[in-house]
Amino acid sequence: EVQLVESGGGLVQPGGSLRLSCATSGFKFSNNWLDWVRRAPGKGLEWVANINPDGSETNYVPSVKGRFTISRDNARNSFYLQMNSLRPEDTAVYYCATHFASVDASWGQGTLVTVSS
Amino acid sequence: QAGLTQPPSVSKGLRQTATLTCTGNSDNVAYQGAAWLQHRLGHPPKLLSDRSHNRPSGISERFSASTSGNTASLTISGLQPEDEADYYCSAWDRSLSAWVFGGGTELTVL
Repeated sequence: EVQLVESGGGLVQPGGSLRLSCATSGFKFSNNWLDWVRRAPGKGLEWVANINPDGSETNYVPSVKGRFTISRDNARNSFYLQMNSLRPEDTAVYYCATHFASVDASWGQGTLVTVSS
Repeated sequence: QAGLTQPPSVSKGLRQTATLTCTGNSDNVAYQGAAWLQHRLGHPPKLLSDRSHNRPSGISERFSASTSGNTASLTISGLQPEDEADYYCSAWDRSLSAWVFGGGTELTVL
């Protein structure tokens, strides 16, 4: 059974940092593109970032470029989202997913990030 | 701001058919098509159709997707109460090198 479990969410002040983790099992991790997708309160889904199977290519939504970094550890079957210079508008439930737009996609349950003073 | 355009809400009766639309441009929807996802708050999103109109295992045949030029559509036939949810389209935008989503359509089954 494929499982993805996020951790690392919480309350942080504007300008602060958080590192989200996504621990996975049940599939060939090193073969997959991986994504972070978020949904802010009262807003729709927004793709945040992805990373290719060997970690050599990453892509980001323009609003987080230069502030967020996606990475992966194929030995640990885990991937991460380092979030720096957080803003109130980054407040959202963050989901990790395996290639979210493919028929084999799997998702975590989400972790809440709240940026507030 | 959403990169793709979806109507904010659609209401249809039980057992009727709803067609949800998603408009993009030549760099996204017309380039490689759009995927469709269903999302209910408190649950992870669920893919209904990939960009090639394939359904994941376990997704009902009542959900079917199509694309014509810059517009993608999701048709849901035989509407059921459990179909009430938010529906999103998403496409890879080659000019942004990023995935873009529509703003979502809230489907109400009357």
